[in-house]
Amino acid sequence: GAGVSQTPSNKVTEKGKYVELRCDPISGHTALYWYRQSLGQGPEFLIYFQGTGAADDSGLPNDRFFAVRPEGSVSTLKIQRTERGDSAVYLCASSSSGGPNTGELFFGEGSRLTVL
Amino acid sequence: GENVEQHPSTLSVQEGDSAVIKCTYSDSASNYFPWYKQELGKRPQLIIDIRSNVGEKKDQRIAVTLNKTAKHFSLHITETQPEDSAVYFCAAINQAGTALIFGKGTTLSVSS
Repeated sequence: GAGVSQTPSNKVTEKGKYVELRCDPISGHTALYWYRQSLGQGPEFLIYFQGTGAADDSGLPNDRFFAVRPEGSVSTLKIQRTERGDSAVYLCASSSSGGPNTGELFFGEGSRLTVL
Repeated sequence: GENVEQHPSTLSVQEGDSAVIKCTYSDSASNYFPWYKQELGKRPQLIIDIRSNVGEKKDQRIAVTLNKTAKHFSLHITETQPEDSAVYFCAAINQAGTALIFGKGTTLSVSS
C-alpha cells in the first residue's frame, strides 16, 4: 500500500472486553513497531518486530497485551480484559531496514481506543 | 533504560522568529537522534535526524545540533511560518538498538 494502514481508526469498548487492533505496514517493510500515545504525551514504545519475530517486547505494559505478526507483514495488537487506563491512540510504524536507527519510521494514523 | 527529556512543553513565537527545542538523553551509547513533527490529528513524520558522528545538520530552515559530551541535542527552526505550528518530538535510540524512545513533545504555535 501507499502508507501504513491501521484499523479500526476508532474503537470504543467496555471495561473487561477484548480488543484487536490491526496494522498493515508498507509493502516490503521488514521492521514493524507498536507505540501507544496518551493525550499530551510522546509515543511510548510497546513492541518491535523484525520479520515474524518479536525482537523486543519489553515495552508491553503487562501480560494483557500481546502482538503477533505471523507472516511478517500484517500485525495485530491484542488487549485482553481492557481497563480504562488502556485508553490511548495506538500507533503502528514500519521501516524498510533492520532497527530504528537504520531508516525512517513511517507511522500510521493510529487506532484510538476508548475503554468505558 | 533510555530516558529522553524535552523542553519547553509549549513554545509560542511570532512568524519570522526562530524557535529552539532542547532534549537531553540518558544513555551515552545512543547514536541516532531523530525529530518528528505531528500536526493535530495526524501521524508523526520525520523532519530531520542526526547521527552521533556529526555535531550539526541542516536542511533549509531546520537544523539539529548534538552535544554528545553533555548528552543533549536541539532543534532549531528559523524564519518560522504558521504551517510550522505542530507538536515536535525528539527521540533517541534505546540501549538495545531496538526502539526509538520519544520525549513528551513540544507544542509550537506560530502566530502571524
